[in-house]
Amino acid sequence: DGGITQSPKYLFRKEGQNVTLSCEQNLNHDAMYWYRQDPGQGLRLIYYSQIVNDFQKGDIAEGYSVSREKKESFPLTVTSAQKNPTAFYLCASSMRSRQGVSNQPQHFGDGTRLSIL
Amino acid sequence: ILNVEQSPQSLHVQEGDSTNFTCSFPSSNFYALHWYRWETAKSPEALFVMTLNGDEKKKGRISATLNTKEGYSYLYIKGSQPEDSATYLCALDQTGANNLFFGTGTRLTVIP
Repeated sequence: DGGITQSPKYLFRKEGQNVTLSCEQNLNHDAMYWYRQDPGQGLRLIYYSQIVNDFQKGDIAEGYSVSREKKESFPLTVTSAQKNPTAFYLCASSMRSRQGVSNQPQHFGDGTRLSIL
Repeated sequence: ILNVEQSPQSLHVQEGDSTNFTCSFPSSNFYALHWYRWETAKSPEALFVMTLNGDEKKKGRISATLNTKEGYSYLYIKGSQPEDSATYLCALDQTGANNLFFGTGTRLTVIP
């Protein structure tokens, strides 16, 4: 089945450690996104990529890094510089029409819950 | 910081009742308004993407309207069923780059 796969479902990080969250899609979508959810808040955009080898910072990029070497994959690294990494992380993707990515619904993975030990 | 507000925060309705909830957003720099349904233990699912003032969209028993001049969208559910229980999210795209700013959601519980 076509979809977005996030792994792992649960992840634990020690203080000072970098961890990488995986996001893979087989929908042939050009654009991919990373969001973070905290209790009582809406999803907030961390990074996005509209095409391979290109990505842009979202609203809360500090302490995170990404890469987009393949169309199917958009891994997110939570670095030790992220002081409050405990959250639920969602990856999404969307099509890119001739007009670009505008007006395209986003398709989401099941998420990764990151906790600090 | 954008202010996308959803109300109510949560509501309970009886099976068979119709219900509606609101998404409010800044009316300046509007490009698109998205609605998603997020069931517990599942991933968010797209319902509608709305772009034009006065737009109305429908998917089964769920419909939505859009007023970009005053900055609000309504989501309606007719004859609620227990399977409609979910959190309904709206999200604003101000630039056309599909960078969405989400509200905190309305959590709907339909009581059988």
